[in-house]
Amino acid sequence: GAVVSQHPSRVICKSGTSVKIECRSLDFQATTMFWYRQFPKKSLMLMATSNEGSKATYEQGVEKDKFLINHASLTLSTLTVTSAHPEDSSFYICSARDPWAGSPDTQYFGPGTRLTVL
Amino acid sequence: EDQVTQSPEALRLQEGESSSLNCSYTVSGLRGLFWYRQDPGKGPEFLFTLYSAGEEKEKERLKATLTKKESFLHITAPKPEDSATYLCAVSGTASKLTFGTGTRLQVTL
Repeated sequence: GAVVSQHPSRVICKSGTSVKIECRSLDFQATTMFWYRQFPKKSLMLMATSNEGSKATYEQGVEKDKFLINHASLTLSTLTVTSAHPEDSSFYICSARDPWAGSPDTQYFGPGTRLTVL
Repeated sequence: EDQVTQSPEALRLQEGESSSLNCSYTVSGLRGLFWYRQDPGKGPEFLFTLYSAGEEKEKERLKATLTKKESFLHITAPKPEDSATYLCAVSGTASKLTFGTGTRLQVTL
C-alpha cells in the first residue's frame, strides 16, 4: 500500500518553456501532498504543501509564480515550473500523506522527476 | 526551528559487519521521527516511524531506536543490497518533515 507515482521520470526542456510534473497517490486518497527539491548529495528541501481544493502553501524563498501547484483531486497534484531556466534544473520529488494510515505524519514519496533545462 | 544532524556522512562496511547510524535532532513538539532509504536517482522509501523515547522498531536487518535527543539505525550483518543513503527526518508542531543530509552506506563483499 501507500504507493505514489510521478510523471515524467525525466524531462529535458529549453530555457523559457514551462514543464508540468504530475504526482499521483495510487492506492489511497491524499488530502495533503508535498513537493520537494533535491540537489546532488544534498537533502530534501520542502518547496510547498499542497492541499486538495485550496491554495498551496509555499516555503520561504520559493516563488509561487514560478512554481505553480494545483491539487485538483484527492489523488493528483501537479507542479508546473514556469519559464524554466538552467538554475531550475534539479530532482523534484513529491510525497503524500495517507490520512487513514496509523501514522498521520508519515509521508510516502514518489520516484522523483529529473528536470534538465538547457 | 527544527534541526536534524546525521552522522557519519558516509560509511563503508564489509558484508556482515554490523554498525549504527546516528540522527541527532531538536524539534518543537515531536510528532514523529522517520527513517527513509534512498537509492541513487530514486525517491525516499519509508522504513520506520518512531513516536516516543524508548520506542524500537525492526525490519529485517534494520532496527531503529529513539531517545529524547537522538535516534539510531542499527544495521546487523549488512548485505551489499543494503547500500543506499539513509535519511532521518522529524515532524514537529508544524507537521512538516525536516530532513538530515543523510548517511551514504556502502556495503562491500
